[in-house]
Amino acid sequence: NAGVTQTPKFQVLKTGQSMTLQCAQDMNHNSMYWYRQDPGMGLRLIYYSASEGTTDKGEVPNGYNVSRLNKREFSLRLESAAPSQTSVYFCASTAGRHTGNTIYFGEGSWLTVV
Amino acid sequence: AQKVTQAQTEISVVEKEDVTLDCVYETRDTTYYLFWYKQPPSGELVFLIRRNSFDEQNEISGRYSWNFQKSTSSFNFTITASQVVDSAVYFCALSVPFSGGYNKLIFGAGTRLAVHP
Repeated sequence: NAGVTQTPKFQVLKTGQSMTLQCAQDMNHNSMYWYRQDPGMGLRLIYYSASEGTTDKGEVPNGYNVSRLNKREFSLRLESAAPSQTSVYFCASTAGRHTGNTIYFGEGSWLTVV
Repeated sequence: AQKVTQAQTEISVVEKEDVTLDCVYETRDTTYYLFWYKQPPSGELVFLIRRNSFDEQNEISGRYSWNFQKSTSSFNFTITASQVVDSAVYFCALSVPFSGGYNKLIFGAGTRLAVHP
């Protein structure tokens, strides 16, 4: 029952450091997403990958890059971390092109940039 | 514009009380889906329910029930006889097409529910 697995769960970075959040799903889903959650703001879409080989910007892409390594894996990279990127990050996946497909989430990654 | 509003930031109840979480949405799409997710203190997001815009029947699942009213653009969530384990942040979300027909979820800010013994 793995579903969506993301690592690491917790990370502290210094300003300017880089890191990659890893995400993998085992549900054979086509679409994958990265969201960030900030207090009082719900979840906001950073990047998404509609299908293997494609990636697109969401609402808040600045400061991030992504890679859809294969159908299972979708990573999020912070090239030069800033305190404003302190947040909880969620990876998610869904079957594909349909507004009714349920989006399933990973357990979240707590990132602090000091 | 597409938007989800959860006006209640925090709700505190005593165990066994009934509680309703409000959700109001905005969209110009005629076909859309609405979701509720639960985020317990452990942090993961748990899918609770999905409802499409053409189905206005209320849904009941155990102690949980949902009231969808297109006339008021609302999708409210009621917990009957609340329990301490219901303590969590609850998110309402709207699924809309996004760039190429793929969907994304637009989330409300969430309502934190605290159920006290």
